[in-house]
Amino acid sequence: NAGVTQTPKFQVLKTGQSMTLQCAQDMNHNSMYWYRQDPGMGLRLIYYSASEGTTDKGEVPNGYNVSRLNKREFSLRLESAAPSQTSVYFCASTVQLESYEQYFGPGTRLTVT
Amino acid sequence: DAKTTQPTSMDCAEGRAANLPCNHSTISGNEYVYWYRQIHSQGPQYIIHGLKNNETNEMASLIITEDRKSSTLILPHATLRDTAVYYCIVRVYGGGADGLTFGKGTHLIIQP
Repeated sequence: NAGVTQTPKFQVLKTGQSMTLQCAQDMNHNSMYWYRQDPGMGLRLIYYSASEGTTDKGEVPNGYNVSRLNKREFSLRLESAAPSQTSVYFCASTVQLESYEQYFGPGTRLTVT
Repeated sequence: DAKTTQPTSMDCAEGRAANLPCNHSTISGNEYVYWYRQIHSQGPQYIIHGLKNNETNEMASLIITEDRKSSTLILPHATLRDTAVYYCIVRVYGGGADGLTFGKGTHLIIQP
């Protein structure tokens, strides 16, 4: 039981490049989230998916897109990376959207130069 | 959501119980108390949550006062790996679309 996994662990992009961050969970959870955490700052919600087939914007969705590929997988895409998107990205999952009992992945550390 | 107040930092000797307090004096009747921690450079980790009864799991115990205005997270036998920032948050069940937000938390340092 791996919990929530994320790939890659580290990534360096040049401004304007694109990439997709992958997230998968094996806990049969319905809801999944993408957060970013800047140095010394708290979490900010980018997008979430209440259940397979649905996605919704969070607090800071600009510059990102998501896909809930199936119940297990939730990906985050940066179409044209900007230095302001340098951050640590965390994926999380929970049994259902109403719960705050969330389980997080190890994070992807992204640097945009 | 009710505001929470936690000490900025605490020390605890390895092997002793670590007791982390949280004040949430404006908590409403339908708000739960959740505890998370974040070890340096890792993802946040869910620890425990409760409404009004004391709760225990394999990681910790949560003691909520009868008036629910404060709570204490207890790590019964702290190890060096428990050094982390601990966050107490108060949320209404059903609001998960808002996502998690953490305040400053308590930086717990376990001393050898």
